[in-house]
Amino acid sequence: DGGITQSPKYLFRKEGQNVTLSCEQNLNHDAMYWYRQDPGQGLRLIYYSQIVNDFQKGDIAEGYSVSREKKESFPLTVTSAQKNPTAFYLCAGARDHNSPLHFGNGTRLTVT
Amino acid sequence: GESVGLHLPTLSVQEGDNSIINCAYSNSASDYFIWYKQESGKGPQFIIDIRSNMDKRQGQRVTVLLNKTVKHLSLQIAATQPGDSAVYFCAENSGAGGTSYGKLTFGQGTILTVHP
Repeated sequence: DGGITQSPKYLFRKEGQNVTLSCEQNLNHDAMYWYRQDPGQGLRLIYYSQIVNDFQKGDIAEGYSVSREKKESFPLTVTSAQKNPTAFYLCAGARDHNSPLHFGNGTRLTVT
Repeated sequence: GESVGLHLPTLSVQEGDNSIINCAYSNSASDYFIWYKQESGKGPQFIIDIRSNMDKRQGQRVTVLLNKTVKHLSLQIAATQPGDSAVYFCAENSGAGGTSYGKLTFGQGTILTVHP
């Protein structure tokens, strides 16, 4: 099955630790995105990448970092600098700018 | 910044009824709109999209209406089924020369509950 695969589904970390969320796609999408979702709210854009080895900050990039070494992979690192890291993180891909985003099933991160 | 919002946070309907979910947007430059369905614990699922050069688009049991005059978007679901119960999000993209594609601005969502 083609799709956007996020792992793990649930992740627990202690405050002060960096954590990396995985996002893999086999849809041959050029563009990939990371969104954050908080309870009762819409999605907010963290980072996006339109091509390998290139990425741009979204609306709430502070405390996060990404890499795009391969077309298929777009991992997100939540650093200790992120003040409120507990959230539902969603990765998405798009074939091109005329296509809608396709989302993975998310990783729920809890930091205590 | 620009925002997309929803008039009704919750909607309850009986199975078989038609559902209408509304959305207001504020960016007059927006030229692409999408509706997503999100079930609990899952990622948003694409339902239907519409471009600003259209005012209506139909899919299977769903219709999206766009009123650019009042910056209003609606999703109509015909013969609503219990499986349609979910949170529905509208999203918009200003699409400025491709540099912002995929940078969707999402509304807060409407919870649709369908009673058998």
